[in-house]
Amino acid sequence: DGGITQSPKYLFRKEGQNVTLSCEQNLNHDAMYWYRQDPGQGLRLIYYSQIVNDFQKGDIAEGYSVSREKKESFPLTVTSAQKNPTAFYLCASSTSGGRQPQHFGDGTRLSIL
Amino acid sequence: AQSVTQLGSHVSVSEGALVLLRCNYSSSVPPYLFWYVQYPNQGLQLLLKYTSAATLVKGINGFEAEFKKSETSFHLTKPSAHMSDAAEYFCAVSDATGNQFYFGTGTSLTVIP
Repeated sequence: DGGITQSPKYLFRKEGQNVTLSCEQNLNHDAMYWYRQDPGQGLRLIYYSQIVNDFQKGDIAEGYSVSREKKESFPLTVTSAQKNPTAFYLCASSTSGGRQPQHFGDGTRLSIL
Repeated sequence: AQSVTQLGSHVSVSEGALVLLRCNYSSSVPPYLFWYVQYPNQGLQLLLKYTSAATLVKGINGFEAEFKKSETSFHLTKPSAHMSDAAEYFCAVSDATGNQFYFGTGTSLTVIP
């Protein structure tokens, strides 16, 4: 079955450390997204990419970076500049342009040690 | 600018009772509207969407929603709650291009046996 795989499911970060969250899809979707989910705040868009080698900042991009070297992969790096990284991170994909996600991965929960 | 407001961050219903989750939108142009469901520690799944066709939209798992322009609402309903409906539900709004897409803050549904 096609889908989105996020790894790891749980991740712990030390102060001052960069960490990378993996997102792989085999749906052949052009667009991919990264969201941050905090209790009571819904989902907020971090970055999105509509095509390989191109990506745009979302609403809360500061402290994060992404790359899109392959259609099926869209890794997210949480840098040390992100002062409050503890959250649930969701990757999504879509066949359509714009910002509407269609399929989601099961998320990565990031915590600070 | 577009936004959605979900009234009630927590809703509890008895098994077999009507489920009503409220969503009001704010949009200067006719919007597209969506409902997603999220089960614990999982990603989101699209329940249904309104894209300016029929105002009553039927989705998966027996859910439906009605677009009411006069009330700027898109409430989600299900006639009879099942224990498996316990989850977080998100309303979302988009413009026709999909270039503006925003989630509400979510409503947690508890089903009481």
